[in-house]
Amino acid sequence: AQSVTQPDIHITVSEGASLELRCNYSYGATPYLFWYVQSPGQGLQLLLKYFSGDTLVQGIKGFEAEFKRSQSSFNLRKPSVHWSDAAEYFCAVGRISNFGNEKLTFGTGTRLTIIP
Amino acid sequence: SQTIHQWPATLVQPVGSPLSLECTVEGTSNPNLYWYRQAAGRGLQLLFYSVGIGQISSEVPQNLSASRPQDRQFILSSKKLLLSDSGFYLCAWSPGGDTIYFGEGSWLTVV
Repeated sequence: AQSVTQPDIHITVSEGASLELRCNYSYGATPYLFWYVQSPGQGLQLLLKYFSGDTLVQGIKGFEAEFKRSQSSFNLRKPSVHWSDAAEYFCAVGRISNFGNEKLTFGTGTRLTIIP
Repeated sequence: SQTIHQWPATLVQPVGSPLSLECTVEGTSNPNLYWYRQAAGRGLQLLFYSVGIGQISSEVPQNLSASRPQDRQFILSSKKLLLSDSGFYLCAWSPGGDTIYFGEGSWLTVV
């Protein structure tokens, strides 16, 4: 069974500082990996995804993530955060089932607070 | 481009009342459709998915049901709501074998 761990429930970062959100997964094969962001009271927006190829993926809003197979990790990074980055961030691991549907397992999320 | 619409955005319902949340996707055909629930302070739980009209799969036993009467329409229902049904419900779609895209969500409070 696939699983995702986001070890940090809440992170506080100063505006302009760098950010790294941790994500560890468990999956028997090469996974599909995703990061989503959720602003309060809203749906989830896809930040980036990894299916194959280059292990460093670029996403929207200046985010990037690096797939490290040896560490079973897919950490999200941003060199300089903005106040608008305050939100909940979800890591997810997925696979395609025999029926053609995506089986996505989400972590419990990391809430990011930005201070001036 | 593809868009997903979900309504109502907010709903307050008494215990024992029925529920109907609707979701439609535009700009694509034969999408995979999903209903997720997000309880307060918790991650997302997959409730139902559908790979075609009339094909519904349930991931967890519960007080809810889903239907797909048309290719791009997905409905979440309940005959009698429980307090434990309160939460944030998210409809989502994918083109199949790829990324899942989410709607804006519906807040359900059962009182």
